[in-house]
Amino acid sequence: EVQLVESGGGLIQPGGSLRLSCAASGFTVSSNYMSWVRQAPGKGLEWVSVIYSGGSTYYADSVKGRFTISRDNSENTLYLQMNSLRAEDTAVYYCAREVYGGNWFDPWGQGTLVTVSS
Amino acid sequence: DIQMTQSPSSLSASVGDRVTITCRASQSISNYLNWYQQKPGKAPKLLIYAASSWQSGVPSRFSGSGSGTDFTLTISSLQPEDFATYYCQQSYSTPRTFGQGTKVEIK
Repeated sequence: EVQLVESGGGLIQPGGSLRLSCAASGFTVSSNYMSWVRQAPGKGLEWVSVIYSGGSTYYADSVKGRFTISRDNSENTLYLQMNSLRAEDTAVYYCAREVYGGNWFDPWGQGTLVTVSS
Repeated sequence: DIQMTQSPSSLSASVGDRVTITCRASQSISNYLNWYQQKPGKAPKLLIYAASSWQSGVPSRFSGSGSGTDFTLTISSLQPEDFATYYCQQSYSTPRTFGQGTKVEIK
């Protein structure tokens, strides 16, 4: 079964750092485009970052310079290192695979909540 | 960046109604348009990809159409389990962008 499971969310103070993990099963992370998408409380979906199978990475302007996407091929896991966190980064963070050919998101993880507050 | 505009932002409908949600892209995206359903507290679920292709397991009452800049998601006969929020998303270019969502509520 193709599945993604996120972990690492929690309560963090403004300016702090957090690393999210997304463990994949049923497929190989390094052979796919993998994205992070977030959803602030009561709001819509916002794409955050992508790592291509070749290793190129891209970020939304709102997180550029603060967040870093990476993967561990041996662990088949995707990561999102989040630094200099702000209150507006508070959201549920989802990882998702982009399906080759059309780049739609499937599957999605269950999400992990990040709350940035003092 | 490509802007995606959905309408309406919310609607009230009854079981059995035909429901149509529209999504407009700020530039042509060919058929790189996908639709997701999200229920409260759950991750989004892929319904339609490449504008008009059904994801496996999605009921045939859901259909998608369009190309270029204008797209439509239609639910032919609304069922109780269809009350949710629906999002369109373009996968033509990076950054990937979503519409603001359409909340379908019970009348």
